[in-house]
Amino acid sequence: KAGVTQTPRYLIKTRGQQVTLSCSPISGHRSVSWYQQTPGQGLQFLFEYFSETQRNKGNFPGRFSGRQFSNSRSEMNVSTLELGDSALYLCASSLGQSLADTQYFGPGTRLTVL
Amino acid sequence: QQQVKQSPQSLIVQKGGISIINCAYENTAFDYFPWYQQFPGKGPALLIAIRPDVSEKKEGRFTISFNKSAKQFSLHIMDSQPGDSATYFCAASRNQGGKLIFGQGTELSVKP
Repeated sequence: KAGVTQTPRYLIKTRGQQVTLSCSPISGHRSVSWYQQTPGQGLQFLFEYFSETQRNKGNFPGRFSGRQFSNSRSEMNVSTLELGDSALYLCASSLGQSLADTQYFGPGTRLTVL
Repeated sequence: QQQVKQSPQSLIVQKGGISIINCAYENTAFDYFPWYQQFPGKGPALLIAIRPDVSEKKEGRFTISFNKSAKQFSLHIMDSQPGDSATYFCAASRNQGGKLIFGQGTELSVKP
């Protein structure tokens, strides 16, 4: 079974621009969660989508948004980029039906904001 | 509060030794505690997880010890190997599906 894939793997943007990251979950998984990883703040939860609905949301500003499509693929968008948005963005997929469903992480998208 | 505190930040262990990483949480509503292992350039991968109704869980060389009253849990890696060198994250979740709250991570280096 193919793992979680994220595209692109690397991205360089400038302040003020917007960016869209994509995540394809493991086949059959209906939950996709997004996390931001930085050296200073560690791994922080952004949001989770299940069956095209946002089920959980972290404490990030409204510039961070996401969506999920009917095939469970998910995208996250960051508008009006700031230098502090430079990070590794990870998505994780799971069956989403029980608390203990394992979350499988993709390799991440490395975003650099100049 | 949703915080999970992890220590130490970094750990150096000799091959064959025991690596111990500790985590403490505050929210008593947490009821799922996984540990993730991350290698450079890769996403985190689930290592082992525990629910608070058991005090210990062992899988191969990896053991989680859980102390509900102290709100602490720890990862023990027995017979540590150089291939175990990675960053380890503890996490916690309550019945909220995919929302994991992570500790700050421990960079483990196992010297040959």
